[in-house]
Amino acid sequence: AQSVTQPDIHITVSEGASLELRCNYSYGATPYLFWYVQSPGQGLQLLLKYFSGDTLVQGIKGFEAEFKRSQSSFNLRKPSVHWSDAAEYFCAVGAFGNEKLTFGTGTRLTIIP
Amino acid sequence: EAQVTQNPRYLITVTGKKLTVTCSQNMNHEYMSWYRQDPGLGLRQIYYSMNVEVTDKGDVPEGYKVSRKEKRNFPLILESPSPNQTSLYFCASKGPHGNQPQHFGDGTRLSIL
Repeated sequence: AQSVTQPDIHITVSEGASLELRCNYSYGATPYLFWYVQSPGQGLQLLLKYFSGDTLVQGIKGFEAEFKRSQSSFNLRKPSVHWSDAAEYFCAVGAFGNEKLTFGTGTRLTIIP
Repeated sequence: EAQVTQNPRYLITVTGKKLTVTCSQNMNHEYMSWYRQDPGLGLRQIYYSMNVEVTDKGDVPEGYKVSRKEKRNFPLILESPSPNQTSLYFCASKGPHGNQPQHFGDGTRLSIL
């Protein structure tokens, strides 16, 4: 069975600073990997996805993520955060054609001025 | 606009009183799914449906029922709700191909007293 670990429950970053959110996965085959963002009171919005090919993927809102098979990681990065990036971020791994989606426990991001 | 619509958005009810949360999507997606989100646990899959009249259990199906009589609708039924089903619920849908991400509704917050 697949699993996802997000080791950081809460991260605080200054506005304008760089950001990296960690995600490690466990899956026996090539995974489908996703990052979703959830703003307060909102549903989940897809930031980016990886299925195959280039291991560095670009997403919306200036986010990117890098798939590293050797480390079983799919970390999310942003070079300069904005106050509007404050939200909860979820990493997810899909199996069986992405019907079985397993989420990490999430990382809450706080932005300070 | 492509969307997944859940109703109600908020509900407070009492133990044992049957309730149904509706989910409808306008993207003609075959696949639909229900998740619950609890603090510290991320999102966990309750049930999913690959197509009309085809449903299967996710990771936490106990206490829930679903039906898929039409392609666009996938209601979640709590026959006898209990306080441990107090949670934030999300419906999702996706197209038939593995590289298509799941699209989420805005969530339904249920409180069972």
